[in-house]
Amino acid sequence: GESVGLHLPTLSVQEGDNSIINCAYSNSASDYFIWYKQESGKGPQFIIDIRSNMDKRQGQRVTVLLNKTVKHLSLQIAATQPGDSAVYFCAEIDNTDKLIFGTGTRLQVFP
Amino acid sequence: DAGITQSPRHKVTETGTPVTLRCHQTENHRYMYWYRQDPGHGLRLIHYSYGVKDTDKGEVSDGYSVSRSKTEDFLLTLESATSSQTSVYFCAISETLLAGAYEQYFGPGTRLTVT
Repeated sequence: GESVGLHLPTLSVQEGDNSIINCAYSNSASDYFIWYKQESGKGPQFIIDIRSNMDKRQGQRVTVLLNKTVKHLSLQIAATQPGDSAVYFCAEIDNTDKLIFGTGTRLQVFP
Repeated sequence: DAGITQSPRHKVTETGTPVTLRCHQTENHRYMYWYRQDPGHGLRLIHYSYGVKDTDKGEVSDGYSVSRSKTEDFLLTLESATSSQTSVYFCAISETLLAGAYEQYFGPGTRLTVT
Protein backbone atom coordinates (compact mmCIF):
# COMPACT_ATOMS: atom_id res chain seq x y z
CA GLY A 1 0.00 0.00 0.00
CA GLU A 2 0.93 3.57 -0.25
CA SER A 3 0.45 6.56 1.96
CA VAL A 4 0.48 10.14 0.89
CA GLY A 5 3.14 12.52 2.21
CA LEU A 6 0.62 14.68 4.00
CA HIS A 7 1.49 18.00 5.60
CA LEU A 8 -0.78 17.42 8.54
CA PRO A 9 -1.25 18.74 12.03
CA THR A 10 0.88 16.51 14.20
CA LEU A 11 0.35 15.38 17.75
CA SER A 12 3.40 13.97 19.51
CA VAL A 13 2.87 12.01 22.71
CA GLN A 14 4.97 9.88 24.95
CA GLU A 15 4.24 6.19 25.15
CA GLY A 16 1.80 5.53 27.97
CA ASP A 17 0.25 8.99 27.93
CA ASN A 18 -3.30 9.68 26.78
CA SER A 19 -3.85 11.23 23.36
CA ILE A 20 -6.65 13.54 22.31
CA ILE A 21 -7.25 14.17 18.63
CA ASN A 22 -9.76 16.82 17.66
CA CYS A 23 -11.96 17.34 14.66
CA ALA A 24 -14.39 20.05 13.63
CA TYR A 25 -17.20 19.02 11.32
CA SER A 26 -19.15 21.23 8.98
CA ASN A 27 -22.71 19.99 8.63
CA SER A 28 -24.98 20.48 11.61
CA ALA A 29 -27.41 18.00 10.02
CA SER A 30 -24.87 15.15 10.05
CA ASP A 31 -26.07 12.41 12.32
CA TYR A 32 -23.30 9.85 12.18
CA PHE A 33 -19.57 10.18 12.69
CA ILE A 34 -16.66 7.80 12.36
CA TRP A 35 -13.00 7.83 13.28
CA TYR A 36 -10.55 6.08 10.98
CA LYS A 37 -6.91 5.19 11.49
CA GLN A 38 -4.52 5.06 8.56
CA GLU A 39 -1.13 3.49 9.03
CA SER A 40 1.67 4.20 6.63
CA GLY A 41 1.17 2.34 3.38
CA LYS A 42 -2.33 1.11 4.18
CA GLY A 43 -5.92 2.09 3.65
CA PRO A 44 -8.01 3.68 6.42
CA GLN A 45 -9.29 1.36 9.10
CA PHE A 46 -12.48 1.85 11.14
CA ILE A 47 -11.88 2.62 14.81
CA ILE A 48 -15.13 3.76 16.38
CA ASP A 49 -18.37 5.49 15.47
CA ILE A 50 -20.99 7.62 17.21
CA ARG A 51 -24.49 8.78 16.40
CA SER A 52 -25.65 12.32 16.97
CA ASN A 53 -28.03 11.24 19.75
CA MET A 54 -25.00 10.34 21.87
CA ASP A 55 -22.36 12.48 23.54
CA LYS A 56 -19.84 9.77 24.27
CA ARG A 57 -18.99 6.26 23.19
CA GLN A 58 -16.25 4.03 24.45
CA GLY A 59 -14.33 1.23 22.83
CA GLN A 60 -11.21 -0.62 23.73
CA ARG A 61 -8.76 2.10 24.84
CA VAL A 62 -10.60 4.66 22.71
CA THR A 63 -13.37 7.11 23.52
CA VAL A 64 -15.17 9.41 21.12
CA LEU A 65 -16.80 12.59 22.38
CA LEU A 66 -19.32 14.57 20.38
CA ASN A 67 -20.23 18.19 21.07
CA LYS A 68 -23.02 19.10 18.69
CA THR A 69 -23.27 22.66 19.99
CA VAL A 70 -19.88 23.58 18.58
CA LYS A 71 -19.74 20.80 15.94
CA HIS A 72 -16.70 19.22 17.48
CA LEU A 73 -15.60 15.63 17.70
CA SER A 74 -12.66 14.21 19.61
CA LEU A 75 -10.93 10.86 19.84
CA GLN A 76 -9.22 9.94 23.08
CA ILE A 77 -6.70 7.12 23.14
CA ALA A 78 -5.73 5.82 26.55
CA ALA A 79 -2.21 4.63 27.32
CA THR A 80 -0.95 5.41 23.84
CA GLN A 81 1.29 2.75 22.33
CA PRO A 82 3.82 2.84 19.49
CA GLY A 83 1.34 0.88 17.37
CA ASP A 84 -1.06 3.82 17.61
CA SER A 85 1.24 5.94 15.45
CA ALA A 86 -0.79 6.74 12.34
CA VAL A 87 -2.91 9.39 10.69
CA TYR A 88 -6.38 9.72 12.18
CA PHE A 89 -9.38 10.96 10.21
CA CYS A 90 -12.82 11.90 11.35
CA ALA A 91 -15.66 11.47 8.89
CA GLU A 92 -19.30 12.51 8.88
CA ILE A 93 -22.21 11.01 7.01
CA ASP A 94 -23.93 13.63 4.92
CA ASN A 95 -27.61 13.69 4.00
CA THR A 96 -26.95 11.50 0.96
CA ASP A 97 -25.35 8.77 3.08
CA LYS A 98 -21.85 9.46 1.83
CA LEU A 99 -18.77 9.85 3.98
CA ILE A 100 -17.12 13.26 4.13
CA PHE A 101 -13.59 13.00 5.48
CA GLY A 102 -11.57 15.54 7.39
CA THR A 103 -7.95 16.19 6.43
CA GLY A 104 -6.47 14.17 9.26
CA THR A 105 -4.06 14.44 12.19
CA ARG A 106 -0.78 12.59 12.43
CA LEU A 107 -0.12 10.95 15.80
CA GLN A 108 3.49 10.26 16.67
CA VAL A 109 4.32 8.18 19.72
CA PHE A 110 7.81 8.40 21.15
CA PRO A 111 9.34 6.22 23.86
CA ASP B 1 -7.96 -5.36 4.25
CA ALA B 2 -11.30 -7.17 4.50
CA GLY B 3 -10.97 -9.15 1.26
CA ILE B 4 -10.34 -6.17 -1.00
CA THR B 5 -7.57 -6.07 -3.55
CA GLN B 6 -6.56 -3.32 -5.89
CA SER B 7 -4.53 -3.58 -9.06
CA PRO B 8 -2.13 -2.33 -10.06
CA ARG B 9 -0.59 -1.15 -6.80
CA HIS B 10 1.69 1.31 -8.54
CA LYS B 11 1.48 2.83 -11.99
CA VAL B 12 3.34 5.52 -13.85
CA THR B 13 1.73 6.74 -17.03
CA GLU B 14 2.02 9.63 -19.45
CA THR B 15 -0.38 12.50 -19.85
CA GLY B 16 -3.13 11.70 -22.33
CA THR B 17 -3.05 7.94 -21.94
CA PRO B 18 -6.02 5.91 -20.68
CA VAL B 19 -5.67 4.17 -17.33
CA THR B 20 -7.91 1.61 -15.64
CA LEU B 21 -7.68 0.70 -11.98
CA ARG B 22 -9.37 -2.41 -10.69
CA CYS B 23 -10.94 -3.15 -7.33
CA HIS B 24 -11.90 -6.69 -6.46
CA GLN B 25 -13.78 -7.82 -3.35
CA THR B 26 -14.56 -11.23 -1.95
CA GLU B 27 -17.07 -10.03 0.67
CA ASN B 28 -20.14 -9.83 -1.59
CA HIS B 29 -20.82 -6.31 -0.31
CA ARG B 30 -23.34 -4.27 -2.22
CA TYR B 31 -21.67 -0.87 -2.19
CA MET B 32 -18.28 -0.05 -3.69
CA TYR B 33 -16.49 3.28 -3.76
CA TRP B 34 -13.49 4.95 -5.33
CA TYR B 35 -11.67 7.69 -3.43
CA ARG B 36 -8.58 9.71 -4.11
CA GLN B 37 -6.26 10.92 -1.38
CA ASP B 38 -4.19 14.05 -1.78
CA PRO B 39 -2.21 16.24 0.63
CA GLY B 40 -4.46 18.72 2.38
CA HIS B 41 -7.67 17.15 1.12
CA GLY B 42 -8.07 13.90 2.98
CA LEU B 43 -10.10 11.34 1.06
CA ARG B 44 -12.52 12.53 -1.60
CA LEU B 45 -15.19 10.40 -3.22
CA ILE B 46 -14.89 10.00 -7.00
CA HIS B 47 -17.67 7.55 -7.84
CA TYR B 48 -19.60 4.86 -6.08
CA SER B 49 -21.76 1.90 -6.96
CA TYR B 50 -24.86 0.62 -5.19
CA GLY B 51 -25.19 -2.53 -7.27
CA VAL B 52 -24.25 -4.16 -10.54
CA LYS B 53 -24.46 -1.55 -13.30
CA ASP B 54 -25.68 1.04 -10.79
CA THR B 55 -23.23 3.87 -10.25
CA ASP B 56 -23.31 7.51 -9.28
CA LYS B 57 -20.96 10.46 -9.09
CA GLY B 58 -19.13 11.65 -6.04
CA GLU B 59 -17.49 14.90 -5.14
CA VAL B 60 -14.66 14.83 -7.72
CA SER B 61 -15.96 12.78 -10.64
CA ASP B 62 -14.77 14.94 -13.56
CA GLY B 63 -12.28 13.06 -15.74
CA TYR B 64 -13.23 9.67 -14.32
CA SER B 65 -15.65 6.95 -15.29
CA VAL B 66 -16.53 3.68 -13.58
CA SER B 67 -18.09 0.37 -14.41
CA ARG B 68 -19.45 -2.49 -12.39
CA SER B 69 -20.41 -5.54 -14.41
CA LYS B 70 -20.07 -7.97 -11.50
CA THR B 71 -20.67 -7.64 -7.77
CA GLU B 72 -17.03 -8.28 -7.01
CA ASP B 73 -15.37 -5.88 -9.46
CA PHE B 74 -15.43 -2.09 -9.68
CA LEU B 75 -13.29 -0.42 -12.33
CA LEU B 76 -12.11 3.18 -12.36
CA THR B 77 -11.04 4.60 -15.73
CA LEU B 78 -9.17 7.75 -16.52
CA GLU B 79 -9.98 8.25 -20.19
CA SER B 80 -7.09 10.66 -20.74
CA ALA B 81 -4.85 10.98 -17.72
CA THR B 82 -3.70 14.42 -16.58
CA SER B 83 -1.02 15.42 -14.08
CA SER B 84 -3.74 16.60 -11.69
CA GLN B 85 -4.85 12.99 -11.41
CA THR B 86 -1.58 11.98 -9.80
CA SER B 87 -2.80 10.65 -6.48
CA VAL B 88 -3.31 7.64 -4.29
CA TYR B 89 -6.56 5.87 -5.12
CA PHE B 90 -8.48 3.81 -2.59
CA CYS B 91 -11.32 1.45 -3.17
CA ALA B 92 -13.80 0.78 -0.36
CA ILE B 93 -16.76 -1.49 0.19
CA SER B 94 -19.72 -1.52 2.53
CA GLU B 95 -22.93 -3.35 3.15
CA THR B 96 -26.15 -1.50 3.67
CA LEU B 97 -26.45 0.65 6.76
CA LEU B 98 -26.35 -1.69 9.71
CA ALA B 99 -27.99 -1.06 13.04
CA GLY B 100 -25.63 1.24 14.87
CA ALA B 101 -22.79 0.92 12.41
CA TYR B 102 -21.83 2.16 8.98
CA GLU B 103 -18.45 0.82 8.08
CA GLN B 104 -16.51 1.15 4.90
CA TYR B 105 -13.62 -1.24 4.46
CA PHE B 106 -10.73 0.07 2.45
CA GLY B 107 -8.31 -1.58 0.08
CA PRO B 108 -4.54 -1.06 0.20
CA GLY B 109 -4.47 1.74 -2.38
CA THR B 110 -2.96 2.38 -5.80
CA ARG B 111 -0.35 5.05 -6.31
CA LEU B 112 -0.78 6.61 -9.75
CA THR B 113 1.74 9.04 -11.17
CA VAL B 114 0.95 10.90 -14.38
CA THR B 115 4.03 12.44 -15.97
